[in-house]
This record gives sequence, C-alpha cells and structure tokens, in this order.
Amino acid sequence: GAGVSQSPRYKVAKRGQDVALRCDPISGHVSLFWYQQALGQGPEFLTYFQNEAQLDKSGLPSDRFFAERPEGSVSTLKIQRTQQEDSAVYLCASSWDRRRGGGNIQYFGAGTRLSVL
Amino acid sequence: GNSVTQMEGPVTLSEEAFLTINCTYTATGYPSLFWYVQYPGEGLQLLLKATKADDKGSNKGFEATYRKETTSFHLEKGSVQVSDSAVYFCALTATGANSKLTFGKGITLSVRP
Repeated sequence: GAGVSQSPRYKVAKRGQDVALRCDPISGHVSLFWYQQALGQGPEFLTYFQNEAQLDKSGLPSDRFFAERPEGSVSTLKIQRTQQEDSAVYLCASSWDRRRGGGNIQYFGAGTRLSVL
Repeated sequence: GNSVTQMEGPVTLSEEAFLTINCTYTATGYPSLFWYVQYPGEGLQLLLKATKADDKGSNKGFEATYRKETTSFHLEKGSVQVSDSAVYFCALTATGANSKLTFGKGITLSVRP
C-alpha cells in the first residue's frame, strides 16, 4: 500500500475487555515498531520486529500486552483485560532498512485511539 | 538511558515570524537525530534528520544542526506560515540499538494570519 495502515482508527472498550489492534506496514518493510502515545506526551516505544522475529519487547508495560507478526508483514498488538491507564493512541511504524541504529527513517500510521471506560 | 527534552509550549506566532524550537538530548555514543511533525488529523511525518555531528538537516524551509558539544538539535525556520501549524517532536535513535525512536514531549505551534 501507499503507507502504513492501522485499524481500527478508534476503539472504545469496557474495562476488562480484550482488544486487538492491527497494523499493515509498507510493503517490503523489514522493521516494524509499536509505540504508545499518551495524551500530551511523545510516543513511547513498546516493541520491535525484524520480519517475523520480535527482537525487543522491553517497552511493553505489562504481560497483558502482546504483539505478533507471524508472516513478517501484518502485525497485531493485543491488550488483554484492558485498564483505564491503557487509554492512549497506539502508533505503528515501519522501515525497510535492517541496519542497526543510525538514521533509519520510520514511516508512521495514523494510529488507533483506544479509550477504556 | 536516552532522553530528549523539548522546550515547553505551546508556541503562537504571527505569519512570517522567525521560529526556534529548542531540543536537547542525552544519549551514549553517536545518536541520529530527527524532527517529526504531526499536522492536525494526520500521522507523524519525518520533517528532517541528521546522522552525525555538525550535519544540518533541512526540509520545507526548516533547518536543524546536530551540535554534539551542546547536545542540541534546535529547529529553526526564517518565516513561518499558517500551514506550519502542527505538533513538532524531536527524537533520536541510539547507535547499536534496534533503531527505536526516543521522543520528546512535543510542542504545539500555532501560526496566526
């Protein structure tokens, strides 16, 4: 596709519900990132994939958060038993360059705004 | 750990005014530095970047110079337009890492006609 696509754009969940957020990266991009952006804050790193391998999940805030990218393309971020503090915008980004560090450009989706009531 | 600090906002300017948005960072090694912009209703877009000391990134009339001695990457534009109204984020990726971005809090710029 032309850019990174995320769905749904908005999600309202009752506390305790499970949610699944989808990310379609730019075709051919090797690296995929998830970020969480609280209101009025900058995005914070959650997890990173290189193809289907999850190489870094150090930013996931609890074991209720789980991400996968089984075929190295589409990724899903799942949050179990949602809590009010999970309310945020969840951003997905992809990049093609598998170099470690140094100037790789990440292309962002428009995000999914999750509201937990 | 790595961190990025941006000046407090919001910032309101008149059209054609000069813009400076301050950004300083803390990182080990030689990070790459970025400015991302988020226009109303849109996703984050890369505005410019610099990958080594003294590099200058530029795009759409915006400039920022990688200053290692002051650990800064201030964003400047000589004459802002109403269409520049957006949220601006300074960010870095650390060398030897997985390219994850560390962002500042962002600053909202409003340009009035």
